[in-house]
Amino acid sequence: IAGITQAPTSQILAAGRRMTLRCTQDMRHNAMYWYRQDLGLGLRLIHYSNTAGTTGKGEVPDGYSVSRANTDDFPLTLASAVPSQTSVYFCASSDSNTGLTYGYTFGSGTRLTVV
Amino acid sequence: DAKTTQPNSMESNEEEPVHLPCNHSTISGTDYIHWYRQLPSQGPEYVIHGLTSNVNNRMASLAIAEDRKSSTLILHRATLRDAAVYYCILRALNAGGTSYGKLTFGQGTILTVHP
Repeated sequence: IAGITQAPTSQILAAGRRMTLRCTQDMRHNAMYWYRQDLGLGLRLIHYSNTAGTTGKGEVPDGYSVSRANTDDFPLTLASAVPSQTSVYFCASSDSNTGLTYGYTFGSGTRLTVV
Repeated sequence: DAKTTQPNSMESNEEEPVHLPCNHSTISGTDYIHWYRQLPSQGPEYVIHGLTSNVNNRMASLAIAEDRKSSTLILHRATLRDAAVYYCILRALNAGGTSYGKLTFGQGTILTVHP
């Protein structure tokens, strides 16, 4: 089934540790995104990539980094996790160049708890 | 980005129609109206989008006011599976008409469906 795969599904992480959230899509979408969702704050964009080899900062990029080495993969790295990064993380993709027809496709999320 | 305003919550009975309103009085001419929904413990899901004319798809209908300052998402027969948070989002289309701006989520409307 075409879509987005996120891993892990959930994780408990000690503060100060490094963590990479994985995101893979098989739809050949050119654009990919990372959002975090927190109670009362809704979904906020962390980083995005309009095409392989390029990335950009979203609304809340501090403490996170991304890379886009190829079309399919868009990992999100927390270099040194802090408790405020406890959240549910969603990866999404879109074929923004034909966005007149298609919307974003979201993954099922990664629930991260930093203790 | 132009802002949307939605009621915090709405309730419906199963098999009845549901009309979810959205106000976007500052909408610009290049803004498309997008609707997403998020079921419990899942990522957001694209529902429908439109510009000026009413739109129908297998999930819902979108009714857009003539002045485009408001729109209504219509679920023709609500089911228990339609209980979700519904987001109304404006997305600007670039000058070349080839790509959209990024999705910015508000708080949405929590829809409760009663058996």
